[in-house]
Amino acid sequence: EAGVTQSPTHLIKTRGQQATLRCSPISGHTSVYWYQQALGLGLQFLLWYDEGEERNRGNFPPRFSGRQFPNYSSELNVNALELEDSALYLCASSSYGTALYEQYFGPGTRLTVT
Amino acid sequence: KNEVEQSPQNLTAQEGEFITINCSYSVGISALHWLQQHPGGGIVSLFMLSSGKKKHGRLIATINIQEKHSSLHITASHPRDSAVYICAPRNFGNEKLTFGTGTRLTIIP
Repeated sequence: EAGVTQSPTHLIKTRGQQATLRCSPISGHTSVYWYQQALGLGLQFLLWYDEGEERNRGNFPPRFSGRQFPNYSSELNVNALELEDSALYLCASSSYGTALYEQYFGPGTRLTVT
Repeated sequence: KNEVEQSPQNLTAQEGEFITINCSYSVGISALHWLQQHPGGGIVSLFMLSSGKKKHGRLIATINIQEKHSSLHITASHPRDSAVYICAPRNFGNEKLTFGTGTRLTIIP
């Protein structure tokens, strides 16, 4: 069974540009979560999508947005990039609706803003 | 005060030693994850538990919901166990994961 996949592996952008990160969940999983791991800050929750809808959002500005497609894959968009957006962005998926739904993590996209 | 406290922050041990990493949290939770992150960033979910104890090979995780405390134990530690271990309680209701700062474990051959 294929795991959670993310693309691209690395992304280099300049300040002010937009970045798009992609995530494909494990087959059968309907929930996708996005996390940011900035240097020295640890993992922080960004967004949670389930069945195409945004279910929850972390303490991030509106320039962090995303969507979930009918096939449950997801995109994270970061507009007006700032230097402090440089981080590892992790996606996880789970099978929402079961009693205890474990999250499975992808390998991450490392975003560097110069 | 952080919602999730892990201890120790850094741990160096000899191969074969018994390892314990502790996690205390302050919010009501539905479950708690223990995650392993190797250099390079990839994260693996080791356990998700909501009560009692779980065991996978040399790894054991326990949780005490009343005391808001969880522990991760590694028996017969090995250099390949060297990684950062992160505790992540799942908030009851909104299912949001809150992450500890991690414990950097180094096992010396």
